[in-house]
Amino acid sequence: DAKTTQPTSMDCAEGRAANLPCNHSTISGNEYVYWYRQIHSQGPQYIIHGLKNNETNEMASLIITEDRKSSTLILPHATLRDTAVYYCIVRVETSGSRLTFGEGTQLTVNP
Amino acid sequence: NAGVTQTPKFQVLKTGQSMTLQCAQDMNHNSMYWYRQDPGMGLRLIYYSASEGTTDKGEVPNGYNVSRLNKREFSLRLESAAPSQTSVYFCASKGEGAFSPLHFGNGTRLTVT
Repeated sequence: DAKTTQPTSMDCAEGRAANLPCNHSTISGNEYVYWYRQIHSQGPQYIIHGLKNNETNEMASLIITEDRKSSTLILPHATLRDTAVYYCIVRVETSGSRLTFGEGTQLTVNP
Repeated sequence: NAGVTQTPKFQVLKTGQSMTLQCAQDMNHNSMYWYRQDPGMGLRLIYYSASEGTTDKGEVPNGYNVSRLNKREFSLRLESAAPSQTSVYFCASKGEGAFSPLHFGNGTRLTVT
């Protein structure tokens, strides 16, 4: 799996968009980008994933650059409950293959 | 539908004691995983099981054993606990299908004194 680099921490004002970057410059053609988050003391929660097209669901949007070497997770209207550690993971999508988490970005949403 | 259930939620052990962490999922998933998370760090994979009857080592398997008892259950055993194994342990499962996400339990908080 390709290595990812994320900022250690970020802050965002409540109601504003939170943009969380992730670099994955060694990504290969068959690797997907996944985002999970972990709210304090809970198990991680799946947010979204994508290959090369931008994706949107009820939780967030995922923007992947054309060269696929970086991506941005966007929470359009951050709330206090979005305070969490956000993990960007790049992996080949093979059923049963393992998923490796890095250290993630601590996002703090401030009132 | 409980998802992924871990027991116990909390445990304190003395050095050298043994214990088994239990994990069960009710989503009929083939793949199951055990992770540990130390304070301020990301998750590290201990062992995983791609299907019933198979297990494989992850990044940090030393000091642990696992059993995939059946499709639902995947247990993690510490034969002789050490203070370095103080951590939060998360179990996860993943369904078939290319884009099935991981579903996590809420963790077991283990302290070894």
